[in-house]
Amino acid sequence: GNSVTQMEGPVTLSEEAFLTINCTYTATGYPSLFWYVQYPGEGLQLLLKATKADDKGSNKGFEATYRKETTSFHLEKGSVQVSDSAVYFCASIGGSARQLTFGSGTQLTVLP
Amino acid sequence: GAVVSQHPSWVICKSGTSVKIECRSLDFQATTMFWYRQFPKQSLMLMATSNEGSKATYEQGVEKDKFLINHASLTLSTLTVTSAHPEDSSFYICSERSQTGDNEQFFGPGTRLTVL
Repeated sequence: GNSVTQMEGPVTLSEEAFLTINCTYTATGYPSLFWYVQYPGEGLQLLLKATKADDKGSNKGFEATYRKETTSFHLEKGSVQVSDSAVYFCASIGGSARQLTFGSGTQLTVLP
Repeated sequence: GAVVSQHPSWVICKSGTSVKIECRSLDFQATTMFWYRQFPKQSLMLMATSNEGSKATYEQGVEKDKFLINHASLTLSTLTVTSAHPEDSSFYICSERSQTGDNEQFFGPGTRLTVL
């Protein structure tokens, strides 16, 4: 089945700093890739997605590009805000896997 | 995207009691819904796949008699934690899959269960 390896946290940044959270995947075939965000005490919200190689997902200033050659889907944001503080999950589905596979999650704290 | 609601958002119960958590699809008919469990500071663990009109499919290691799932209609799935114990305390999240074929999933806001 699929697996997703995500950068260990927690990550603490100052406001307006550049953010990268690494995510790599293993899969048979070509999965769809997602980044979900979870704010304290809430469920998961889809942040962005990419369904095929070289696709770039983007939303709210966040971006991630589906890189087949490096099997990666790293999340980036040029200038983080305090309100971005949350847990971020990388996930994949498809290829040989029928269920969503999550990474371990990365806690991001942005300080003013 | 789709809207998924859960009720209650939090519940505290005594050990030995049963607790029912509802998951509703508010804007489309979901033939399949998923139940996840999340421990503090950990990722989501898929517990079972709920299929409308048929038995749920449980993941390995999940007790089907402990976690009863019923998907009686296309908009409602319920998870009942039977004879709850403190180790069942967790955050339970339901989810439904998009009908558009891109495998996107929409998640409910979660239910915090605390068993005393």
